[in-house]
Amino acid sequence: DAGVTQSPTHLIKTRGQQVTLRCSPISGHKSVSWYQQVLGQGPQFIFQYYEKEERGRGNFPDRFSARQFPNYSSELNVNALLLGDSALYLCASSFGLPNTEAFFGQGTRLTVV
Amino acid sequence: QQQVKQSPQSLIVQKGGISIINCAYENTAFDYFPWYQQFPGKGPALLIAIRPDVSEKKEGRFTISFNKSAKQFSLHIMDSQPGDSATYFCAATKATGNQFYFGTGTSLTVIP
Repeated sequence: DAGVTQSPTHLIKTRGQQVTLRCSPISGHKSVSWYQQVLGQGPQFIFQYYEKEERGRGNFPDRFSARQFPNYSSELNVNALLLGDSALYLCASSFGLPNTEAFFGQGTRLTVV
Repeated sequence: QQQVKQSPQSLIVQKGGISIINCAYENTAFDYFPWYQQFPGKGPALLIAIRPDVSEKKEGRFTISFNKSAKQFSLHIMDSQPGDSATYFCAATKATGNQFYFGTGTSLTVIP
């Protein structure tokens, strides 16, 4: 049974560029959340989507946006990349709300140069 | 402001020993406390979780102890093995909320 899948696994972008990260949740899960994990730190919440609606947003600038599709997969977009956006971006899926028993993908390692 | 504080930052334990990682929280509305294990290059994996209506939960070699009055909870790894060497994160959330608040992580090294 497939877990949470994220693509790509690694990505190198230049400052000012835009990036799109993708996530497919566990089959049957309707909630997807995005987290940013800077090296040596715990994950920080970016967004939560449930049933294609945004249910929460963390303390991140408007350069960050996301959406969820009818099949519950999700994309995270980051515009005007900064060096500080370099991090591991994690997607977590859960069956629904409340948002307990969240399962994480292996993440996308984004490097901004 | 760090919602969940975790210590120690790093821990070295002999094989067969007990590893103990501690976390503290401020928000009394939190009602679900998971622990995640993360290996290098991988995403966090749910290890064990507890709700505040119990003081202890055990799954195999892993035990969570929960002290509601002190707003603290800890992970105990019994009979620690080299394969347990990883970074461990505590987290907290409100069941009605939309995000997990993570600690800063503990890097555990189990020496053979």
